Amino acid sequence: KAGVTQTPRYLIKTRGQQVTLSCSPISGHRSVSWYQQTPGQGLQFLFEYFSETQRNKGNFPGRFSGRQFSNSRSEMNVSTLELGDSALYLCASSLETTETQYFGPGTRLLVL
Amino acid sequence: QKEVEQDPGPLSVPEGAIVSLNCTYSNSAFQYFMWYRQYSRKGPELLMYTYSSGNKEDGRFTAQVDKSSKYISLFIRDSQPSDSATYLCAMDTGRRALTFGSGTRLQVQP
Repeated sequence: KAGVTQTPRYLIKTRGQQVTLSCSPISGHRSVSWYQQTPGQGLQFLFEYFSETQRNKGNFPGRFSGRQFSNSRSEMNVSTLELGDSALYLCASSLETTETQYFGPGTRLLVL
Repeated sequence: QKEVEQDPGPLSVPEGAIVSLNCTYSNSAFQYFMWYRQYSRKGPELLMYTYSSGNKEDGRFTAQVDKSSKYISLFIRDSQPSDSATYLCAMDTGRRALTFGSGTRLQVQP
């Protein structure tokens, strides 16, 4: 079974731009969560989607948003990029019946 | 104070050693406990998942959870150079919003 896939793998943007990241969960997984990983703050929860609905949200500004499609694929958008948004953005998927989350390889975003 | 505390290391051990990795937490609502391994520039890989207090074994890995002390551990037996990575503990209240420790960097010397 294929794992979680994320595209693109690397991205360079400049301050003020916006970016959209994509995540395809493991087949059959309907819950998708997003995390930000930085050297200073570590791994932090952004939000979680299930059946196209955001169920949980972490402590991030409104510039960070996401959505989920009917096929469970998810996108994450960051508007008005700041230098501090440079990070590895990780997507994880899980079955509804378990809390075990499986991570993708991440998208490494560099904001200049 | 962070909800989950984890010694960042680095921890350096010789090949074949038993490795002990630990995390403490303060949130009594955490019910699910996981250990992930992360190689440089890769996504975290799930190693162990536990729900209740006690021990769980899988191959060379043993996870321990002590909810009364708010303390979890991961033991790696017969450590190998390929085990060199960052080990992250993660916890969840059931909301699928994992709270991670800062990670312990492990180096197994051949």
